[in-house]
Amino acid sequence: EAGVAQSPRYKIIEKRQSVAFWCNPISGHATLYWYQQILGQGPKLLIQFQNNGVVDDSQLPKDRFSAERLKGVDSTLKIQPAKLEDSAVYLCASSPMGGANEKLFFGSGTQLSVL
Amino acid sequence: GDSVTQMEGPVTLSEEAFLTINCTYTATGYPSLFWYVQYPGEGLQLLLKATKADDKGSNKGFEATYRKETTSFHLEKGSVQVSDSAVYFCALTGTASKLTFGTGTRLQVTL
Repeated sequence: EAGVAQSPRYKIIEKRQSVAFWCNPISGHATLYWYQQILGQGPKLLIQFQNNGVVDDSQLPKDRFSAERLKGVDSTLKIQPAKLEDSAVYLCASSPMGGANEKLFFGSGTQLSVL
Repeated sequence: GDSVTQMEGPVTLSEEAFLTINCTYTATGYPSLFWYVQYPGEGLQLLLKATKADDKGSNKGFEATYRKETTSFHLEKGSVQVSDSAVYFCALTGTASKLTFGTGTRLQVTL
């Protein structure tokens, strides 16, 4: 079974530039999540999709972050403009239905460095 | 809101030593509790879970028991191996079904 695919693996940009991350979840998984993991901290949920609808984006800084999952399959997370404090690993995860007891399957993440 | 507190690392043990990583939580209602593990260079993966009080989750020799009276879910293993070196995250899903993580505990096992 193919896992959650993310790209790029690493990205280095300067502050005020824009950046985009891509995620392809496990085939058939309805729920897709984007997490931000700052060094030394646990992952923090940014946004959760159920198919192509947003379930929770309460912790997404909407003035600079945006995400879409137009066809209910793969997803893109964008930051524009980036700030120094956005340096983190961005993790994508998916699960079959989004239930509270479900196992989440994580990708390897995109490590972003903002200089 | 929901929160998870883990013991700070790093934890350094010799092979075959006993492991305990403490985890306590704050949540309303009856959360489900999880341990995720991140091996070097790999993505997070579920290690074990428990969905109700007094349940014991187990996998790969690791165990954790859901203790509602102490709001804890401590991770234990009787004999660690070098291959267990990783970062371990305690997590919960509360009433909002959102997975909330602790800060992680790095385990280093030496020969």
